[in-house]
Amino acid sequence: GENVEQHPSTLSVQEGDSAVIKCTYSDSASNYFPWYKQELGKRPQLIIDIRSNVGEKKDQRIAVTLNKTAKHFSLHITETQPEDSAVYFCAAGGSNYKLTFGKGTLLTVNP
Amino acid sequence: KAGVTQTPRYLIKTRGQQVTLSCSPISGHRSVSWYQQTPGQGLQFLFEYFSETQRNKGNFPGRFSGRQFSNSRSEMNVSTLELGDSALYLCASSSPDLGLAGGVRTGELFFGEGSRLTVL
Repeated sequence: GENVEQHPSTLSVQEGDSAVIKCTYSDSASNYFPWYKQELGKRPQLIIDIRSNVGEKKDQRIAVTLNKTAKHFSLHITETQPEDSAVYFCAAGGSNYKLTFGKGTLLTVNP
Repeated sequence: KAGVTQTPRYLIKTRGQQVTLSCSPISGHRSVSWYQQTPGQGLQFLFEYFSETQRNKGNFPGRFSGRQFSNSRSEMNVSTLELGDSALYLCASSSPDLGLAGGVRTGELFFGEGSRLTVL
């Protein structure tokens, strides 16, 4: 089955810096790659997603890149703010309607 | 539009007991997925239901089971509880499948607030 590896597990940055979280996946049939943000004590929420026919997608301060050949995708957050502090999960959409998540990255933005 | 509702929000059980968790999806969503969240393990897929049929199942023992009703509400059951079953159980619903070839999920998952299970 699909296996998603996510790095780093924790990331601490200064406000205004950029943050990058990387994920790799194993199933070459995966073609949907969403990112979810989970603030402390809250439910995960989709922040951005990308499909395999696109190499990059941007939404204001966040962007996701995808390299299908290498089977990895990354989340980039620019000009980080304290409210960006949360756990971020990457995921890969494989066969049989199953979405496999990475183990998460705890991002801390220090004011 | 009401969000995904999970009940109960918190519960405490002892080893050997069984538990049933309920999930009401967003109106119009026919797909319901269940995930187990534990510190350090992220979100682990349990199973997914669509129109009362289990379409896929994760790598959990048979003690974990689920079902979906005709109104898309779903329940999951864990029998013979173990200490390691303590976790936050999240359900998520998604919009009607758009029918892309290959059966790959394309829709956004809308999560409930979860049911936090503690097994003593």
